[in-house]
Amino acid sequence: QKEVEQNSGPLSVPEGAIASLNCTYSDRGSQSFFWYRQYSGKSPELIMFIYSNGDKEDGRFTAQLNKASQYVSLLIRDSQPSDSATYLCAVNEVNFGNEKLTFGTGTRLTIIP
Amino acid sequence: EPEVTQTPSHQVTQMGQEVILRCVPISNHLYFYWYRQILGQKVEFLVSFYNNEISEKSEIFDDQFSVERPDGSNFTLKIRSTKLEDSAMYFCASKPNWGGGQPQHFGDGTRLSIL
Repeated sequence: QKEVEQNSGPLSVPEGAIASLNCTYSDRGSQSFFWYRQYSGKSPELIMFIYSNGDKEDGRFTAQLNKASQYVSLLIRDSQPSDSATYLCAVNEVNFGNEKLTFGTGTRLTIIP
Repeated sequence: EPEVTQTPSHQVTQMGQEVILRCVPISNHLYFYWYRQILGQKVEFLVSFYNNEISEKSEIFDDQFSVERPDGSNFTLKIRSTKLEDSAMYFCASKPNWGGGQPQHFGDGTRLSIL
């Protein structure tokens, strides 16, 4: 069973600070990784995806990938109260040419004004 | 921006009844998915669909479940005889092409409540 692990939190961060969210995955062959944001009772909303080792930046968000350590993270700079949500790490699994996303349990992030 | 649409937003059904959840994927997308999320739990893969047939299904997707793309627009999930444990949010997703660089786009979900 391929696993995606996240600290469920809650993670509390003061407004304006950097929030750091972490994820590890078990399948060494995984190539693509996604961060989704999910507000309570809503659907997952794509924030970023990454498939190369290193950093990828998009506005206040930076995704970091280390395939050797099987670790992917999301940094949110200048955290805003509207960033308070559950952040889902998802790994694209490929099995005999078929793709699906395997999700972690999510980290609940609260930005404190 | 194009989006995946799902109807209804909330479905309440008696145990043992059939239910059909509907999805309209983004128009130029070729790969379609259903996921579910039981309250407080992780999002779980149910089934993937491409070229008018199931590509892969999970252990959850037993004989009570079926999917169909009846008219080239809608993508439906049918549960034949619902159980209490089918109560969950059901999300439809689609993506344009194969490949990890193509993210899946999710609909707003249908909350299914089985009484």
